[in-house]
Amino acid sequence: DAKTTQPTSMDCAEGRAANLPCNHSTISGNEYVYWYRQIHSQGPQYIIHGLKNNETNEMASLIITEDRKSSTLILPHATLRDTAVYYCIVRVRSGGGADGLTFGKGTHLIIQP
Amino acid sequence: GAGVSQSPRYKVAKRGQDVALRCDPISGHVSLFWYQQALGQGPEFLTYFQNEAQLDKSGLPSDRFFAERPEGSVSTLKIQRTQQEDSAVYLCASSFEGAGNQPQHFGDGTRLSIL
Repeated sequence: DAKTTQPTSMDCAEGRAANLPCNHSTISGNEYVYWYRQIHSQGPQYIIHGLKNNETNEMASLIITEDRKSSTLILPHATLRDTAVYYCIVRVRSGGGADGLTFGKGTHLIIQP
Repeated sequence: GAGVSQSPRYKVAKRGQDVALRCDPISGHVSLFWYQQALGQGPEFLTYFQNEAQLDKSGLPSDRFFAERPEGSVSTLKIQRTQQEDSAVYLCASSFEGAGNQPQHFGDGTRLSIL
């Protein structure tokens, strides 16, 4: 799986949009971009994933650049409960088996009141 | 709507003891994964099951680690002769199938402390 690069930490004011960047310059055409977050003492929580089109769900939006070398996770109206470590992961699209996810160190997002 | 359930939530054992950690995946999920998360680090893949078949155990750190899923549902991760470096959170995840476009859903883990 391709390697990802994320900032170590970010701050965001409560109520504002939180934009979390991720670089994945070596991504292959058959790799998805996944985002998970982990709140203290809990397991990772799936947020969203995409291949090449932008995606939106009830939690967030995922913007993938046209060359697919980077992406941005957008939390439109951040709340204090969004404080967590956010992981950007690239994952092979298909295969006979399955791949374990390769987590990096992620971005520690702190929402400020 | 039950998610992935892991038990026990916390486990303390003395060095040299054997431990068994249980994972109940989401009903109907074919794929099951185990991860190890050391303090301050992201989770690291240990092993993967598709139904009862263990298709990948490349992440298991030593032969003291053993996982099984005999009926393709509940899984158990066993660690024999535990050592202090085994102290970590052990996470289980399941997905509907193994394809790359199926998200994995995680339990809250078992925090293992070896004294």
